[in-house]
Amino acid sequence: EPEVTQTPSHQVTQMGQEVILRCVPISNHLYFYWYRQILGQKVEFLVSFYNNEISEKSEIFDDQFSVERPDGSNFTLKIRSTKLEDSAMYFCASSEGGGGTTDTQYFGPGTRLTVL
Amino acid sequence: AQSVTQLDSHVSVSEGTPVLLRCNYSSSYSPSLFWYVQHPNKGLQLLLKYTSAATLVKGINGFEAEFKKSETSFHLTKPSAHMSDAAEYFCVVSARINQAGTALIFGKGTTLSVSS
Repeated sequence: EPEVTQTPSHQVTQMGQEVILRCVPISNHLYFYWYRQILGQKVEFLVSFYNNEISEKSEIFDDQFSVERPDGSNFTLKIRSTKLEDSAMYFCASSEGGGGTTDTQYFGPGTRLTVL
Repeated sequence: AQSVTQLDSHVSVSEGTPVLLRCNYSSSYSPSLFWYVQHPNKGLQLLLKYTSAATLVKGINGFEAEFKKSETSFHLTKPSAHMSDAAEYFCVVSARINQAGTALIFGKGTTLSVSS
């Protein structure tokens, strides 16, 4: 069964460093998403991406964040200058359909980012 | 605005007994509702979803949920718990953001413990 994959599973970085989290969505899916879950808190929406551009972003997704689909398979989340509060589990998701509320989003296993 | 409230942060059951995980939702329009499960060190897996078809939705691993508009509830049930059901469960509502995309709004999660 096709699945969303994410690398690395765990990333440790120093405050102020740039990190890139990678995701490979399910191959025929058109919509891509990033969510994050700070330890002990809710899973929060960061950004959605369709047709090579951001379709929506939350207040969390400020200028320090960017997303890219550099080729036909990868979908990346870049944090330019990490802060301690960026430490969280980051989940990538993808959906097949037209971005409607009935579409099912399939999640990857997550990347745990630790900022020291 | 759409939101979900999971009424219990932790539920403990014995193996073979019924499971009830409670969720109330708030939505300004007919909602799409989901239950996801997260096993330790694993990604978020879809259990089931409601999208305005049948109000009783059957999912994987014997779980089901009933959409009750009058009570704004979408409780998750299983007749007989298994040890492998021990995990974190998330009630989720899908929210339309502007005209360009959707985002999943997560509840805080319910930790299900199953004892032998």
